[in-house]
Amino acid sequence: DAMVIQNPRYQVTQFGKPVTLSCSQTLNHNVMYWYQQKSSQAPKLLFHYYDKDFNNEADTPDNFQSRRPNTSFCFLDIRSPGLGDAAMYLCATSRGDRGYEQYFGPGTRLTVT
Amino acid sequence: AQSVAQPEDQVNVAEGNPLTVKCTYSVSGNPYLFWYVQYPNRGLQFLLKYITGDNLVKGSYGFEAEFNKSQTSFHLKKPSALVSDSALYFCAAYMDSSYKLIFGSGTRLLVRP
Repeated sequence: DAMVIQNPRYQVTQFGKPVTLSCSQTLNHNVMYWYQQKSSQAPKLLFHYYDKDFNNEADTPDNFQSRRPNTSFCFLDIRSPGLGDAAMYLCATSRGDRGYEQYFGPGTRLTVT
Repeated sequence: AQSVAQPEDQVNVAEGNPLTVKCTYSVSGNPYLFWYVQYPNRGLQFLLKYITGDNLVKGSYGFEAEFNKSQTSFHLKKPSALVSDSALYFCAAYMDSSYKLIFGSGTRLLVRP
């Protein structure tokens, strides 16, 4: 059963054209995360929500924004994608207990042309 | 500074042989340690975790990990490797009292037939 769902799986956008990636979860978890992963490197945390509380990483570019309209959904908005933003974007969720693992979605592969 | 280290970029092993993927950590307080596996173009998949208790932790797909407090290590092991175990493996730990994971740089496991 799908628990963390990301749409689309593959996204192609043009340089500078805004794009939105979507994540939904059926786990009712408190925490939702967005990661950027390039070329088999470790995932890099962009931001996370604990319930409605938004936590931005200090080095996340302003170009990246996020929305969490309800418990189940979270969106990643890239306002003006550059070539360097081409990457795999991973959504993850967790129960908000540090003894609990994060569940990852399958990822969205973003290509910028 | 808190960190997770995976000293080997790649581990090669023959099918049927035991495998070890190394991980060391440096975190404040009690460590909450995790292993994830990633197959090509997929999200990260949780394998196992150490929170407290028995130093030998058993996880999915026959994997286990040994927590060693004195050596600050959490090595992933499997008694008999399969070709299908070939993937990218990440060790991770929670930072401080936050809900953010620190990832190691990843180790590519290649199991040859």
